[in-house]
Amino acid sequence: DAKTTQPPSMDCAEGRAANLPCNHSTISGNEYVYWYRQIHSQGPQYIIHGLKNNETNEMASLIITEDRKSSTLILPHATLRDTAVYYCIVGLRGNKLVFGAGTILRVKS
Amino acid sequence: EPEVTQTPSHQVTQMGQEVILRCVPISNHLYFYWYRQILGQKVEFLVSFYNNEISEKSEIFDDQFSVERPDGSNFTLKIRSTKLEDSAMYFCASSEGPFGRDFRDYTFGSGTRLTVV
Repeated sequence: DAKTTQPPSMDCAEGRAANLPCNHSTISGNEYVYWYRQIHSQGPQYIIHGLKNNETNEMASLIITEDRKSSTLILPHATLRDTAVYYCIVGLRGNKLVFGAGTILRVKS
Repeated sequence: EPEVTQTPSHQVTQMGQEVILRCVPISNHLYFYWYRQILGQKVEFLVSFYNNEISEKSEIFDDQFSVERPDGSNFTLKIRSTKLEDSAMYFCASSEGPFGRDFRDYTFGSGTRLTVV
Protein backbone atom coordinates (compact mmCIF):
# COMPACT_ATOMS: atom_id res chain seq x y z
CA ASP A 1 0.00 0.00 0.00
CA ALA A 2 1.21 3.45 -0.87
CA LYS A 3 2.52 5.57 1.98
CA THR A 4 1.98 9.31 2.09
CA THR A 5 4.12 12.11 3.47
CA GLN A 6 2.61 15.42 4.46
CA PRO A 7 4.08 18.41 6.31
CA PRO A 8 2.92 18.42 9.92
CA SER A 9 1.59 21.96 9.79
CA MET A 10 1.07 24.98 7.55
CA ASP A 11 -0.18 28.51 7.96
CA CYS A 12 -2.22 30.46 5.45
CA ALA A 13 -3.59 33.98 5.40
CA GLU A 14 -7.33 34.34 5.18
CA GLY A 15 -8.48 34.91 1.62
CA ARG A 16 -5.32 33.48 0.12
CA ALA A 17 -4.95 30.11 -1.56
CA ALA A 18 -3.86 27.25 0.67
CA ASN A 19 -1.69 24.70 -1.12
CA LEU A 20 -1.28 21.46 0.78
CA PRO A 21 1.30 19.03 -0.62
CA CYS A 22 1.38 15.28 -0.35
CA ASN A 23 4.09 12.89 -1.50
CA HIS A 24 3.09 9.36 -2.48
CA SER A 25 6.04 8.06 -4.41
CA THR A 26 5.02 4.39 -4.09
CA ILE A 27 1.53 4.85 -5.48
CA SER A 28 0.47 2.14 -7.91
CA GLY A 29 -1.29 2.67 -11.19
CA ASN A 30 -4.84 2.04 -10.06
CA GLU A 31 -4.73 3.76 -6.68
CA TYR A 32 -6.73 6.92 -6.19
CA VAL A 33 -5.64 9.90 -4.09
CA TYR A 34 -8.25 10.98 -1.54
CA TRP A 35 -8.34 14.07 0.62
CA TYR A 36 -10.28 14.39 3.83
CA ARG A 37 -10.26 16.99 6.55
CA GLN A 38 -11.16 16.98 10.22
CA ILE A 39 -12.29 20.15 11.90
CA HIS A 40 -11.67 20.18 15.64
CA SER A 41 -12.39 16.51 16.46
CA GLN A 42 -15.48 16.34 14.28
CA GLY A 43 -15.85 13.40 11.92
CA PRO A 44 -13.60 13.39 8.88
CA GLN A 45 -15.12 15.14 5.91
CA TYR A 46 -14.57 14.13 2.31
CA ILE A 47 -13.04 16.85 0.14
CA ILE A 48 -11.99 15.45 -3.21
CA HIS A 49 -10.37 12.49 -4.93
CA GLY A 50 -8.61 11.78 -8.20
CA LEU A 51 -6.65 9.22 -10.18
CA LYS A 52 -4.62 10.96 -12.87
CA ASN A 53 -6.35 14.09 -14.01
CA ASN A 54 -6.68 17.26 -12.02
CA GLU A 55 -10.01 17.57 -10.31
CA THR A 56 -12.06 20.49 -9.06
CA ASN A 57 -15.23 20.70 -7.04
CA GLU A 58 -16.99 23.31 -4.96
CA MET A 59 -14.56 22.83 -2.07
CA ALA A 60 -11.13 22.47 -3.62
CA SER A 61 -8.89 21.53 -6.52
CA LEU A 62 -6.60 18.55 -6.67
CA ILE A 63 -3.47 18.69 -8.77
CA ILE A 64 -1.72 15.36 -9.39
CA THR A 65 1.71 15.34 -10.98
CA GLU A 66 2.16 13.49 -14.24
CA ASP A 67 4.20 10.74 -12.59
CA ARG A 68 1.53 10.58 -9.85
CA LYS A 69 4.17 10.61 -7.13
CA SER A 70 2.80 13.73 -5.51
CA SER A 71 -0.29 15.86 -5.38
CA THR A 72 -1.45 19.22 -4.06
CA LEU A 73 -4.78 20.12 -2.56
CA ILE A 74 -5.70 23.72 -3.24
CA LEU A 75 -8.24 25.68 -1.26
CA PRO A 76 -8.56 28.73 -3.51
CA HIS A 77 -9.71 31.29 -0.93
CA ALA A 78 -9.08 29.97 2.55
CA THR A 79 -11.35 31.11 5.36
CA LEU A 80 -10.99 30.75 9.11
CA ARG A 81 -13.43 27.84 8.93
CA ASP A 82 -10.92 25.93 6.80
CA THR A 83 -8.65 25.56 9.81
CA ALA A 84 -8.46 21.79 10.20
CA VAL A 85 -6.30 18.71 9.86
CA TYR A 86 -6.05 17.66 6.22
CA TYR A 87 -5.41 14.04 5.35
CA CYS A 88 -4.04 12.73 2.08
CA ILE A 89 -4.92 9.04 1.66
CA VAL A 90 -3.72 6.89 -1.17
CA GLY A 91 -5.37 3.66 -2.14
CA LEU A 92 -7.81 1.72 -0.14
CA ARG A 93 -7.52 -1.46 1.83
CA GLY A 94 -10.85 -3.15 1.38
CA ASN A 95 -13.42 -0.56 2.21
CA LYS A 96 -11.49 1.15 4.95
CA LEU A 97 -9.66 4.43 5.04
CA VAL A 98 -6.19 4.47 6.56
CA PHE A 99 -5.47 7.87 8.07
CA GLY A 100 -2.01 9.26 8.70
CA ALA A 101 -1.13 12.22 10.89
CA GLY A 102 -2.17 14.76 8.25
CA THR A 103 -1.32 18.44 7.95
CA ILE A 104 -2.65 20.95 10.47
CA LEU A 105 -3.70 23.96 8.42
CA ARG A 106 -4.07 27.18 10.39
CA VAL A 107 -5.84 29.98 8.54
CA LYS A 108 -5.05 33.32 10.12
CA SER A 109 -6.77 36.67 9.75
CA GLU B 1 -27.60 16.93 2.71
CA PRO B 2 -27.90 13.42 4.19
CA GLU B 3 -26.10 12.89 7.49
CA VAL B 4 -24.84 10.09 9.66
CA THR B 5 -26.24 10.68 13.14
CA GLN B 6 -24.51 9.50 16.29
CA THR B 7 -25.82 9.43 19.83
CA PRO B 8 -24.92 10.31 22.47
CA SER B 9 -22.39 13.01 21.67
CA HIS B 10 -20.62 12.37 24.96
CA GLN B 11 -20.79 9.38 27.26
CA VAL B 12 -19.06 8.89 30.57
CA THR B 13 -18.91 5.39 31.97
CA GLN B 14 -17.23 3.54 34.79
CA MET B 15 -14.47 1.10 34.00
CA GLY B 16 -15.87 -2.39 33.56
CA GLN B 17 -19.30 -1.21 32.47
CA GLU B 18 -20.88 -1.99 29.13
CA VAL B 19 -21.56 0.83 26.70
CA ILE B 20 -23.51 0.97 23.48
CA LEU B 21 -22.80 3.68 20.96
CA ARG B 22 -25.52 4.33 18.45
CA CYS B 23 -25.46 5.43 14.87
CA VAL B 24 -28.10 6.06 12.24
CA PRO B 25 -26.42 5.70 8.84
CA ILE B 26 -27.66 7.39 5.71
CA SER B 27 -30.84 5.63 4.68
CA ASN B 28 -29.83 4.14 1.33
CA HIS B 29 -26.35 3.14 2.47
CA LEU B 30 -25.47 -0.52 2.76
CA TYR B 31 -21.94 -0.46 4.20
CA PHE B 32 -21.29 0.64 7.76
CA TYR B 33 -18.12 1.34 9.67
CA TRP B 34 -16.75 2.29 13.05
CA TYR B 35 -13.54 4.21 13.60
CA ARG B 36 -12.01 5.60 16.72
CA GLN B 37 -9.60 8.39 17.57
CA ILE B 38 -7.78 8.52 20.86
CA LEU B 39 -7.07 12.11 21.87
CA GLY B 40 -4.14 13.48 19.91
CA GLN B 41 -3.75 10.35 17.80
CA LYS B 42 -4.76 9.17 14.35
CA VAL B 43 -8.20 8.08 13.24
CA GLU B 44 -8.16 4.27 13.31
CA PHE B 45 -10.42 1.80 11.56
CA LEU B 46 -12.26 -0.65 13.81
CA VAL B 47 -14.75 -2.61 11.75
CA SER B 48 -16.82 -2.69 8.59
CA PHE B 49 -20.23 -4.30 8.29
CA TYR B 50 -22.27 -5.36 5.29
CA ASN B 51 -25.22 -7.64 4.75
CA ASN B 52 -25.61 -8.22 8.47
CA GLU B 53 -22.12 -9.44 9.06
CA ILE B 54 -18.66 -8.12 9.74
CA SER B 55 -16.70 -7.84 6.52
CA GLU B 56 -13.45 -6.68 8.03
CA LYS B 57 -12.09 -5.82 11.46
CA SER B 58 -8.86 -4.48 12.84
CA GLU B 59 -6.67 -5.83 15.62
CA ILE B 60 -8.24 -3.29 17.95
CA PHE B 61 -11.66 -4.89 17.47
CA ASP B 62 -11.24 -7.74 19.94
CA ASP B 63 -13.81 -9.85 21.77
CA GLN B 64 -14.82 -6.89 23.92
CA PHE B 65 -16.32 -5.20 20.89
CA SER B 66 -19.37 -6.14 18.91
CA VAL B 67 -21.54 -4.50 16.28
CA GLU B 68 -25.14 -4.95 15.41
CA ARG B 69 -27.78 -3.63 13.10
CA PRO B 70 -30.78 -4.27 15.34
CA ASP B 71 -33.32 -2.79 12.95
CA GLY B 72 -33.47 -1.15 9.55
CA SER B 73 -32.02 2.15 10.66
CA ASN B 74 -29.60 1.77 13.57
CA PHE B 75 -26.04 0.50 13.72
CA THR B 76 -24.51 0.01 17.14
CA LEU B 77 -21.09 -0.56 18.65
CA LYS B 78 -21.01 -2.32 22.00
CA ILE B 79 -18.06 -2.46 24.33
CA ARG B 80 -18.70 -5.16 26.90
CA SER B 81 -16.35 -4.22 29.70
CA THR B 82 -14.82 -0.83 29.18
CA LYS B 83 -11.21 -0.08 30.02
CA LEU B 84 -9.56 3.27 30.60
CA GLU B 85 -7.81 2.94 27.24
CA ASP B 86 -11.16 2.75 25.45
CA SER B 87 -11.57 6.48 26.07
CA ALA B 88 -11.70 8.01 22.62
CA MET B 89 -13.89 9.60 19.97
CA TYR B 90 -15.84 6.94 18.12
CA PHE B 91 -16.95 7.74 14.60
CA CYS B 92 -19.55 5.88 12.63
CA ALA B 93 -19.49 6.04 8.84
CA SER B 94 -21.56 4.65 6.01
CA SER B 95 -21.37 4.30 2.25
CA GLU B 96 -23.80 3.25 -0.44
CA GLY B 97 -21.55 0.71 -2.04
CA PRO B 98 -18.03 -0.61 -2.04
CA PHE B 99 -15.37 1.80 -3.08
CA GLY B 100 -15.31 2.78 -6.67
CA ARG B 101 -15.11 5.88 -8.71
CA ASP B 102 -18.05 7.54 -6.99
CA PHE B 103 -16.47 7.86 -3.60
CA ARG B 104 -18.11 10.98 -2.28
CA ASP B 105 -20.82 9.22 -0.34
CA TYR B 106 -18.44 7.72 2.27
CA THR B 107 -19.76 9.85 5.13
CA PHE B 108 -18.75 10.13 8.77
CA GLY B 109 -20.88 11.11 11.73
CA SER B 110 -19.86 13.75 14.26
CA GLY B 111 -18.71 11.17 16.76
CA THR B 112 -19.34 10.07 20.32
CA ARG B 113 -16.77 11.05 22.90
CA LEU B 114 -16.43 8.12 25.29
CA THR B 115 -14.78 8.80 28.62
CA VAL B 116 -14.04 5.81 30.84
CA VAL B 117 -13.36 6.70 34.47
